[in-house]
Amino acid sequence: NAGVTQTPKFQVLKTGQSMTLQCAQDMNHNSMYWYRQDPGMGLRLIYYSASEGTTDKGEVPNGYNVSRLNKREFSLRLESAAPSQTSVYFCASSGGTGSGETQYFGPGTRLLVL
Amino acid sequence: GQQVMQIPQYQHVQEGEDFTTYCNSSTTLSNIQWYKQRPGRHPVFLIQLVKSGEVKKQKRLTFQFGEAKKNSSLHITATQTTDVGTYFCAGRGRDDKIIFGKGTRLHILP
Repeated sequence: NAGVTQTPKFQVLKTGQSMTLQCAQDMNHNSMYWYRQDPGMGLRLIYYSASEGTTDKGEVPNGYNVSRLNKREFSLRLESAAPSQTSVYFCASSGGTGSGETQYFGPGTRLLVL
Repeated sequence: GQQVMQIPQYQHVQEGEDFTTYCNSSTTLSNIQWYKQRPGRHPVFLIQLVKSGEVKKQKRLTFQFGEAKKNSSLHITATQTTDVGTYFCAGRGRDDKIIFGKGTRLHILP
């Protein structure tokens, strides 16, 4: 099992450009999450999807959109990138309640917006 | 809204010394999880606490969940260089949302 995979690993964008970060999990998990991590700020939830077909806003959703394409895939889109979106983006998944609440993280995407 | 505060933000200890990080929530939590993130890597799950007053141990790591389910701590006995990293708590509130603390970065002095 690959667990949680993310592409790309690194990306440099110019202000105003758009891009989609891809995430996939092979653990048959119901829930998937997108976080951003900035120095000294910990992990902040952007969007999450409790199950296929549903998405909800997290703590910092502005400037982002998401798509839960199917049970395996959850993508994050930046329509018009801004320098404030320079960050490390982590995707995570979890199985559900109880011990299934454990979140498994992908390796991250490092994004630089110039 | 729900807030999860974690202290200290940074901690430098001599190898062999003990280390503790504390997590405090503004609201009662359903459960709390702890994660470790090595430099340049992704966070990795350590443990989940659910019951009031719960204490769990993993080798040199001891995790506690407060009686009021609003605070938690992680204590490492006799730190080793492999303990270097950032430790995060993540609390699930009554609204079912998970909030991560900002983490405690542990640095070990040889």
